[in-house]
Amino acid sequence: GENVEQHPSTLSVQEGDSAVIKCTYSDSASNYFPWYKQELGKRPQLIIDIRSNVGEKKDQRIAVTLNKTAKHFSLHITETQPEDSAVYFCAAMGNNAGNMLTFGGGTRLMVKP
Amino acid sequence: SAVISQKPSRDICQRGTSLTIQCQVDSQVTMMFWYRQQPGQSLTLIATANQGSEATYESGFVIDKFPISRPNLTFSTLTVSNMSPEDSSIYLCSAHSGNTIYFGEGSWLTVV
Repeated sequence: GENVEQHPSTLSVQEGDSAVIKCTYSDSASNYFPWYKQELGKRPQLIIDIRSNVGEKKDQRIAVTLNKTAKHFSLHITETQPEDSAVYFCAAMGNNAGNMLTFGGGTRLMVKP
Repeated sequence: SAVISQKPSRDICQRGTSLTIQCQVDSQVTMMFWYRQQPGQSLTLIATANQGSEATYESGFVIDKFPISRPNLTFSTLTVSNMSPEDSSIYLCSAHSGNTIYFGEGSWLTVV
Protein backbone atom coordinates (compact mmCIF):
# COMPACT_ATOMS: atom_id res chain seq x y z
CA GLY A 1 0.00 0.00 0.00
CA GLU A 2 0.86 3.67 -0.07
CA ASN A 3 3.30 5.17 2.45
CA VAL A 4 3.61 8.94 2.89
CA GLU A 5 6.49 10.54 4.76
CA GLN A 6 6.32 14.20 5.81
CA HIS A 7 9.09 16.52 7.00
CA PRO A 8 9.73 18.41 9.14
CA SER A 9 7.47 17.41 12.03
CA THR A 10 7.74 20.92 13.49
CA LEU A 11 8.64 24.19 11.81
CA SER A 12 9.05 27.60 13.39
CA VAL A 13 9.37 30.69 11.21
CA GLN A 14 9.28 34.42 11.70
CA GLU A 15 6.25 36.29 10.43
CA GLY A 16 6.82 37.29 6.82
CA ASP A 17 9.25 34.47 6.09
CA SER A 18 8.47 31.49 3.87
CA ALA A 19 7.69 27.97 5.05
CA VAL A 20 8.26 24.78 3.09
CA ILE A 21 6.91 21.34 4.01
CA LYS A 22 7.97 18.28 2.04
CA CYS A 23 6.35 14.89 1.49
CA THR A 24 7.38 11.73 -0.28
CA TYR A 25 5.15 8.88 -1.35
CA SER A 26 5.81 5.30 -2.32
CA ASP A 27 3.06 4.29 -4.77
CA SER A 28 3.83 5.51 -8.28
CA ALA A 29 0.14 5.02 -9.16
CA SER A 30 -0.92 7.81 -6.77
CA ASN A 31 -2.27 10.73 -8.73
CA TYR A 32 -3.96 13.11 -6.28
CA PHE A 33 -2.11 15.04 -3.57
CA PRO A 34 -4.09 17.30 -1.24
CA TRP A 35 -2.83 19.41 1.63
CA TYR A 36 -4.90 19.98 4.77
CA LYS A 37 -4.62 22.57 7.52
CA GLN A 38 -5.87 21.61 10.95
CA GLU A 39 -6.26 24.23 13.64
CA LEU A 40 -6.52 23.21 17.25
CA GLY A 41 -9.85 21.56 18.00
CA LYS A 42 -11.03 21.66 14.40
CA ARG A 43 -11.29 19.29 11.48
CA PRO A 44 -8.74 19.21 8.65
CA GLN A 45 -9.53 21.76 5.98
CA LEU A 46 -8.39 21.37 2.39
CA ILE A 47 -6.15 24.31 1.45
CA ILE A 48 -4.74 23.23 -1.90
CA ASP A 49 -4.38 20.11 -4.00
CA ILE A 50 -2.54 18.98 -7.09
CA ARG A 51 -3.07 16.20 -9.57
CA SER A 52 -0.40 14.26 -11.35
CA ASN A 53 -0.92 15.96 -14.70
CA VAL A 54 0.56 19.25 -13.45
CA GLY A 55 3.82 20.10 -11.75
CA GLU A 56 2.85 23.23 -9.83
CA LYS A 57 -0.24 25.00 -8.58
CA LYS A 58 -0.54 28.32 -6.81
CA ASP A 59 -3.29 30.00 -4.82
CA GLN A 60 -2.30 33.42 -3.44
CA ARG A 61 0.37 32.79 -0.78
CA ILE A 62 0.20 29.01 -1.06
CA ALA A 63 1.79 26.86 -3.74
CA VAL A 64 2.32 23.16 -4.20
CA THR A 65 4.89 21.47 -6.42
CA LEU A 66 4.94 17.87 -7.56
CA ASN A 67 7.81 15.79 -8.88
CA LYS A 68 6.36 12.47 -10.04
CA THR A 69 9.71 11.07 -11.05
CA ALA A 70 11.12 11.53 -7.58
CA LYS A 71 7.74 10.88 -5.94
CA HIS A 72 7.74 13.94 -3.79
CA PHE A 73 5.59 17.03 -3.40
CA SER A 74 5.96 20.18 -1.36
CA LEU A 75 3.85 22.92 0.17
CA HIS A 76 5.18 26.47 0.04
CA ILE A 77 3.70 29.28 2.11
CA THR A 78 5.06 32.75 1.45
CA GLU A 79 4.74 35.86 3.61
CA THR A 80 3.64 33.78 6.58
CA GLN A 81 1.23 35.25 9.10
CA PRO A 82 0.46 34.20 12.69
CA GLU A 83 -2.89 32.79 11.53
CA ASP A 84 -0.97 30.30 9.38
CA SER A 85 0.06 28.57 12.62
CA ALA A 86 -1.54 25.11 12.56
CA VAL A 87 -0.78 21.48 11.80
CA TYR A 88 -0.47 20.74 8.09
CA PHE A 89 -1.00 17.28 6.61
CA CYS A 90 -0.08 16.08 3.16
CA ALA A 91 -1.85 13.10 1.64
CA ALA A 92 -1.74 10.90 -1.41
CA MET A 93 -4.45 8.98 -3.18
CA GLY A 94 -4.12 6.36 -5.87
CA ASN A 95 -6.35 5.64 -8.81
CA ASN A 96 -7.45 2.27 -7.51
CA ALA A 97 -10.73 0.81 -6.41
CA GLY A 98 -10.29 2.03 -2.86
CA ASN A 99 -9.46 5.65 -3.60
CA MET A 100 -8.64 6.34 0.02
CA LEU A 101 -6.22 8.97 1.29
CA THR A 102 -2.97 8.07 3.00
CA PHE A 103 -1.76 10.87 5.24
CA GLY A 104 1.68 12.05 6.19
CA GLY A 105 2.55 12.43 9.84
CA GLY A 106 1.84 16.15 9.96
CA THR A 107 3.89 19.32 10.44
CA ARG A 108 3.25 21.72 13.28
CA LEU A 109 3.92 25.19 11.87
CA MET A 110 4.47 28.04 14.29
CA VAL A 111 4.67 31.57 12.92
CA LYS A 112 6.19 33.95 15.42
CA PRO A 113 5.01 37.56 15.27
CA SER B 1 -19.27 20.94 -2.54
CA ALA B 2 -20.58 18.57 0.11
CA VAL B 3 -21.54 19.40 3.67
CA ILE B 4 -20.93 16.64 6.20
CA SER B 5 -22.62 16.63 9.58
CA GLN B 6 -21.30 14.42 12.33
CA LYS B 7 -22.74 13.73 15.75
CA PRO B 8 -22.03 13.64 18.54
CA SER B 9 -19.39 16.32 18.28
CA ARG B 10 -18.02 15.44 21.67
CA ASP B 11 -18.66 12.85 24.35
CA ILE B 12 -17.22 11.42 27.51
CA CYS B 13 -17.76 7.69 27.71
CA GLN B 14 -17.38 5.06 30.39
CA ARG B 15 -15.00 2.23 29.64
CA GLY B 16 -16.73 -0.93 28.50
CA THR B 17 -19.57 0.94 26.82
CA SER B 18 -20.18 1.47 23.11
CA LEU B 19 -20.94 4.65 21.21
CA THR B 20 -22.32 5.15 17.73
CA ILE B 21 -21.24 8.13 15.64
CA GLN B 22 -23.46 9.31 12.82
CA CYS B 23 -22.38 10.93 9.58
CA GLN B 24 -24.84 12.64 7.25
CA VAL B 25 -23.88 14.09 3.86
CA ASP B 26 -26.10 16.65 2.15
CA SER B 27 -25.75 14.95 -1.24
CA GLN B 28 -25.24 11.46 -2.58
CA VAL B 29 -21.62 10.41 -2.56
CA THR B 30 -19.94 7.31 -3.89
CA MET B 31 -17.27 6.86 -1.25
CA MET B 32 -17.43 7.37 2.51
CA PHE B 33 -14.61 6.68 4.93
CA TRP B 34 -13.97 6.69 8.66
CA TYR B 35 -10.68 7.94 10.09
CA ARG B 36 -9.24 8.02 13.59
CA GLN B 37 -6.93 10.75 14.83
CA GLN B 38 -5.32 9.97 18.15
CA PRO B 39 -4.05 12.90 20.25
CA GLY B 40 -1.16 14.64 18.51
CA GLN B 41 -1.15 12.14 15.66
CA SER B 42 -2.04 12.03 12.00
CA LEU B 43 -5.20 10.58 10.51
CA THR B 44 -5.43 6.81 10.14
CA LEU B 45 -8.03 5.17 7.96
CA ILE B 46 -10.27 2.76 9.86
CA ALA B 47 -12.44 1.54 7.00
CA THR B 48 -14.28 2.31 3.82
CA ALA B 49 -18.04 2.34 4.33
CA ASN B 50 -19.63 0.46 1.44
CA GLN B 51 -23.23 1.10 0.57
CA GLY B 52 -25.26 -2.08 0.85
CA SER B 53 -22.38 -4.33 1.86
CA GLU B 54 -19.87 -4.90 4.65
CA ALA B 55 -17.26 -2.22 5.25
CA THR B 56 -13.67 -2.75 4.12
CA TYR B 57 -11.34 -2.53 7.11
CA GLU B 58 -7.71 -1.49 7.17
CA SER B 59 -5.03 -3.48 8.90
CA GLY B 60 -5.37 -3.23 12.65
CA PHE B 61 -9.10 -2.53 12.64
CA VAL B 62 -11.80 -5.19 12.92
CA ILE B 63 -15.54 -5.25 12.49
CA ASP B 64 -16.23 -6.48 16.01
CA LYS B 65 -14.56 -3.40 17.47
CA PHE B 66 -15.68 -0.85 14.85
CA PRO B 67 -18.93 -1.97 13.23
CA ILE B 68 -19.96 0.31 10.39
CA SER B 69 -23.24 0.75 8.59
CA ARG B 70 -24.02 2.52 5.34
CA PRO B 71 -27.67 2.03 4.49
CA ASN B 72 -27.70 4.59 1.65
CA LEU B 73 -25.52 7.02 -0.30
CA THR B 74 -25.80 9.88 2.21
CA PHE B 75 -25.51 8.27 5.65
CA SER B 76 -23.10 6.12 7.62
CA THR B 77 -22.49 5.16 11.24
CA LEU B 78 -19.40 4.04 13.11
CA THR B 79 -19.70 2.28 16.44
CA VAL B 80 -16.77 2.14 18.84
CA SER B 81 -17.44 -0.98 20.89
CA ASN B 82 -16.34 -1.96 24.38
CA MET B 83 -14.37 1.26 24.74
CA SER B 84 -11.12 1.60 26.64
CA PRO B 85 -9.05 4.74 27.35
CA GLU B 86 -6.94 3.90 24.27
CA ASP B 87 -10.00 4.63 22.13
CA SER B 88 -9.93 8.28 23.17
CA SER B 89 -9.53 9.99 19.81
CA ILE B 90 -11.14 12.15 17.21
CA TYR B 91 -13.21 10.11 14.78
CA LEU B 92 -13.72 11.72 11.38
CA CYS B 93 -16.12 10.88 8.62
CA SER B 94 -14.99 11.64 5.08
CA ALA B 95 -16.75 11.66 1.74
CA HIS B 96 -15.71 11.98 -1.87
CA SER B 97 -17.77 14.43 -3.89
CA GLY B 98 -16.70 15.17 -7.41
CA ASN B 99 -12.94 15.40 -7.35
CA THR B 100 -12.69 16.62 -3.77
CA ILE B 101 -12.61 14.91 -0.40
CA TYR B 102 -14.49 16.48 2.47
CA PHE B 103 -14.34 15.86 6.21
CA GLY B 104 -16.98 16.06 8.86
CA GLU B 105 -16.29 18.20 11.91
CA GLY B 106 -15.18 15.18 13.90
CA SER B 107 -16.35 13.44 17.04
CA TRP B 108 -14.10 13.98 20.04
CA LEU B 109 -14.38 10.94 22.30
CA THR B 110 -12.84 10.70 25.75
CA VAL B 111 -13.04 7.33 27.51
CA VAL B 112 -12.77 7.37 31.28
